[in-house]
Amino acid sequence: ETGVTQTPRHLVMGMTNKKSLKCEQHLGHNAMYWYKQSAKKPLELMFVYNFKEQTENNSVPSRFSPECPNSSHLFLHLHTLQPEDSALYLCASSQMGGVNTEAFFGQGTRLTVV
Amino acid sequence: LAKTTQPISMDSYEGQEVNITCSHNNIATNDYITWYQQFPSQGPRFIIQGYKTKVTNEVASLFIPADRKSSTLSLPRVSLSDTAVYYCLVYNQGGKLIFGQGTELSVKP
Repeated sequence: ETGVTQTPRHLVMGMTNKKSLKCEQHLGHNAMYWYKQSAKKPLELMFVYNFKEQTENNSVPSRFSPECPNSSHLFLHLHTLQPEDSALYLCASSQMGGVNTEAFFGQGTRLTVV
Repeated sequence: LAKTTQPISMDSYEGQEVNITCSHNNIATNDYITWYQQFPSQGPRFIIQGYKTKVTNEVASLFIPADRKSSTLSLPRVSLSDTAVYYCLVYNQGGKLIFGQGTELSVKP
């Protein structure tokens, strides 16, 4: 248990579906991240939120839409995805600006687009 | 952002000490060096962080030379459960976490 919880753990969706991934942290952190990890590849940073403000959008296609309603919750809304979007989606949180910069990751959502 | 270079893979045997070196030639003055461990289908887990010289915790040691252009993660007496991918990151307190290729460590019996 890292203090960062992601739901669902597994998701299968068709290319015309709309779904959302949820991330929740109770660590009091001010920054939250979304990463994508395809099979046998390193993590790719998608979005960064700092104090609920999006500070990074790493050229992510618009079919991925993040939402950060407060500093404890982060969503990733998905629509009209492609099969190549199948991957492990990881959420993380950290305390930006502090001495301890350790990031805590959730268990991830394994997404399969069919 | 300082780019990091580390070996793609390493093999070891149970009980051995494993040293993984990471190069970060353009590290900035306010950058920290951090290592993460990742098991398959799980999120990365923080191992250790340092700025200079040597840092040790219950899991590993981190050696950083005076010029800080490289660092070495040392895992004492590895076991099969240490088989994982190890990532070296360099960033400052306001920076974003950028992961490189990592080093895939395989521990054999």
